[in-house]
Amino acid sequence: NAGVTQTPKFRVLKTGQSMTLLCAQDMNHEYMYWYRQDPGMGLRLIHYSVGEGTTAKGEVPDGYNVSRLKKQNFLLGLESAAPSQTSVYFCASRWTSGRESLNTGELFFGEGSRLTVL
Amino acid sequence: AQKVTQAQTEISVVEKEDVTLDCVYETRDTTYYLFWYKQPPSGELVFLIRRNSFDEQNEISGRYSWNFQKSTSSFNFTITASQVVDSAVYFCALLTTSGTYKYIFGTGTRLKVLA
Repeated sequence: NAGVTQTPKFRVLKTGQSMTLLCAQDMNHEYMYWYRQDPGMGLRLIHYSVGEGTTAKGEVPDGYNVSRLKKQNFLLGLESAAPSQTSVYFCASRWTSGRESLNTGELFFGEGSRLTVL
Repeated sequence: AQKVTQAQTEISVVEKEDVTLDCVYETRDTTYYLFWYKQPPSGELVFLIRRNSFDEQNEISGRYSWNFQKSTSSFNFTITASQVVDSAVYFCALLTTSGTYKYIFGTGTRLKVLA
């Protein structure tokens, strides 16, 4: 099983360029998340989705957009990249039964995408 | 406010020593879930454990043990007889059940186990 796959794994952008990170999961999970990881800051939630066609803002949404047109895919877009968006981006997904007490709550993470904005 | 604090930024121990990683959380929810994740040098994030707010029993899994105390809002993680392979960044996380389900991560503790 592939689990959660992120593409690309590495990317270098110039300030002002745009790009899209793709997250794909093959576990039929409802919930998907995009995090960024920066030194000393831990994992911060950018956007998340609780199902196909839904998205919501997380802790640090500015400068990013997302779409969840298909259940298995969650796209993170940078319309005009800035050096402050240099980071490692992680996608995650989780299964839910609708009753939280029945879920393990485990987040399945992708391998991360390292983005550098010059 | 929902918050997770891991005050220890970095810990170094010598192999075979015991080490405890601290995690303090804040939430007004009565039902919540706490997690620990491990991030080895290779970068992936690995789930270790989940506890719910109604279960304060300590848990042991091999050399790993977790101490959950609601009275002090803490969920500490102890590695007994540490090994070099335990070297990683460890994250504590809180899952809130109010509104939609969002995970809040601490800033992580980098553990270095020296041979």
